[in-house]
Amino acid sequence: EVQMVESGGGLVKPGGSLRLSCAASGFTFSSYRMNWVRQAPGKGLEWVSSINTNSKYKYYADSVKGRFTISRDNAKNSLYLQMNSLRAEDTAVYYCAREGGVVEEGFDYWGQGTLVTVSS
Amino acid sequence: QSVLTQPPSASGTPGQRVIISCSGSSSNIGSKDVYWYQQLPGTAPKLLIYRNNQRPSGVPDRFSGSKSGTSASLAISGLRSEDEADYYCAAWDDSVSGRVFGGGTKLTVL
Repeated sequence: EVQMVESGGGLVKPGGSLRLSCAASGFTFSSYRMNWVRQAPGKGLEWVSSINTNSKYKYYADSVKGRFTISRDNAKNSLYLQMNSLRAEDTAVYYCAREGGVVEEGFDYWGQGTLVTVSS
Repeated sequence: QSVLTQPPSASGTPGQRVIISCSGSSSNIGSKDVYWYQQLPGTAPKLLIYRNNQRPSGVPDRFSGSKSGTSASLAISGLRSEDEADYYCAAWDDSVSGRVFGGGTKLTVL
């Protein structure tokens, strides 16, 4: 069974840092592109970042470029998001999502999400 | 302001057919595939449609997608109460080199 479990969320002050993790299981992690998608309270989905299978290609939303860094460890079946210089508007539930395979660029499996709250 | 434009709300009665639209531009829908997601209250999104009109395994054929030019649509036929959810369209956008989502449409089954 495909599973992805995010962790690392919490309360952080503006300007602070946080590192999110996503532990994947039930599939060949190294064969799939991975993404982070966030959802602010009561708002819609916002794509944050993606990384290809060998970490050569990384993409970021303009809203987080220069502050967030996506990475992965295929040996540990894990995806990460290092978030620096956090702002109030980064407050959201952060989901990791698998991309690729049969559904091509679709995100076919999602984690349950981890809440990041940026507040003083 | 989302790059892809969806109506904020839609509604229908059980058994009806509802269509949700998604409008974009040449840098996204006009040249890229469209994906649709369903998000039930309090849960993670679920992929409904990939590559404009393909259904992942397990998605009922009541759900269908289409694309024409810079617009796409999701049709739900035989509406059921359990279809009440938020629906999002998404596509890659060459102008921002990133994925973009629509603002979401909240579907109410009356």
